[in-house]
Amino acid sequence: NAGVTQTPKFRVLKTGQSMTLLCAQDMNHEYMYWYRQDPGMGLRLIHYSVGEGTTAKGEVPDGYNVSRLKKQNFLLGLESAAPSQTSVYFCASRATGTDTQYFGPGTRLTVL
Amino acid sequence: GQQVMQIPQYQHVQEGEDFTTYCNSSTTLSNIQWYKQRPGGHPVFLIQLVKSGEVKKQKRLTFQFGEAKKNSSLHITATQTTDVGTYFCAGFNAGGTSYGKLTFGQGTILTVHP
Repeated sequence: NAGVTQTPKFRVLKTGQSMTLLCAQDMNHEYMYWYRQDPGMGLRLIHYSVGEGTTAKGEVPDGYNVSRLKKQNFLLGLESAAPSQTSVYFCASRATGTDTQYFGPGTRLTVL
Repeated sequence: GQQVMQIPQYQHVQEGEDFTTYCNSSTTLSNIQWYKQRPGGHPVFLIQLVKSGEVKKQKRLTFQFGEAKKNSSLHITATQTTDVGTYFCAGFNAGGTSYGKLTFGQGTILTVHP
C-alpha cells in the first residue's frame, strides 16, 4: 500500500494563478483532511470530508475549495493564489472507528 | 473555539539530556494524540491518550494525560540525535460532533547536539 500520496511535491505560482493539489489514499478511509503548516502555527485545518461527495469547512477555509468525487481522492483548489497561501500543505486520512490520522508527504507551495 | 497551546516552541539539548514538552487545552478533551515530524517530513502518529491521568510509555518516551483532561506532556529520557524533530500534540474536543477534527498545538522543535 502506498498510504497517502500527494501531488505535486513542490509548486511555485504567481499571484492570481490557480492550481489543484491532489491527495490520494489507498486505505479505503472515509475521512480525509487538508491542513496547512506555517512556522510557529502548527497545523491548521482547511477543509475536511467525512465521505465521498461530502466536504466541510475547517478552521481556515477562505481562498480554498475542495472536492471529494471519489472516496480515494480529495482535491484542494486555489482559484486565485495569494502570497499568504505560501505554505506546506498536508493531506491526511482516517478510518471510521479509529482516531489516528495518516499524513501524506506534503506539498510545498510558494506564491510570488 | 478550542485552542491548544504547546510550550516551549524550541528546545535545544545536549545528547543524553532529558526533554519535556507541554500541551494545554482551553477546553476539556476527549482524547489527545502526539505526533512527531522529522525535518522535511510529515507528521507521524506516536500515541493516543484517552483516560484521565493516563500514562503511557514507549521506550524512552513517556506520555501523560492530565486528570482534568485539559493538559498533556511528552517526556524523553536521555535524548538521542534520532529524536530531532517537531513534536505536536493534537486534541479532540469532548462533546459534540467533531468528525475527527484535531486541533493541533504549535509544536515544539527539538534540536539535539551530539
